[in-house]
Amino acid sequence: DSGVTQTPKHLITATGQRVTLRCSPRSGDLSVYWYQQSLDQGLQFLIQYYNGEERAKGNILERFSAQQFPDLHSELNLSSLELGDSALYFCASSVEGGNTEAFFGQGTRLTVV
Amino acid sequence: AQSVAQPEDQVNVAEGNPLTVKCTYSVSGNPYLFWYVQYPNRGLQFLLKYITGDNLVKGSYGFEAEFNKSQTSFHLKKPSALVSDSALYFCAVRDGSLADGLTFGKGTHLIIQP
Repeated sequence: DSGVTQTPKHLITATGQRVTLRCSPRSGDLSVYWYQQSLDQGLQFLIQYYNGEERAKGNILERFSAQQFPDLHSELNLSSLELGDSALYFCASSVEGGNTEAFFGQGTRLTVV
Repeated sequence: AQSVAQPEDQVNVAEGNPLTVKCTYSVSGNPYLFWYVQYPNRGLQFLLKYITGDNLVKGSYGFEAEFNKSQTSFHLKKPSALVSDSALYFCAVRDGSLADGLTFGKGTHLIIQP
């Protein structure tokens, strides 16, 4: 168990809908990262937050947004969902960025139908 | 831009034999290199990292990796493979001079045959 908790584990929704994925980082970790894993794109970095502030942006679509709350949990919001958004979404946390390793949650499997 | 290449989709090794999973990287600044392992329907587990210092890095479960700056490689190795090592292995890089997430390779399926 990595100590990173993601909910829900599975999510099935229709095209055009909006969903929210939640992540609780390991105790003491200030950085939260979101990644998308799909068969065709592999593992892609979406966005990083550090202590409530956005720190880095990767290949995140404009339809997607995230935030980190004062208690350090994070939410990833996906809107106007398309079939191609079906993927495994991982949250990871680390003490800080840079040279510290990130610990991954078990992921949320999103299926858009 | 940073990138990682894992040239083998799959590596097959007999149990008890040494294993190597290859990784090469490209990054503008100083490379921070990581290996992760993923078991079916699970998240990624951290194995080891290279930030600076000794080129040979030891990690979890008997794995090690060698950083080679001239060849821009960071191959994962283990002297004696176990069937339980069968999994999907990812190499990842971050540019040490930037605030950024990890860039992952496409992954290598490691299959250890009894």
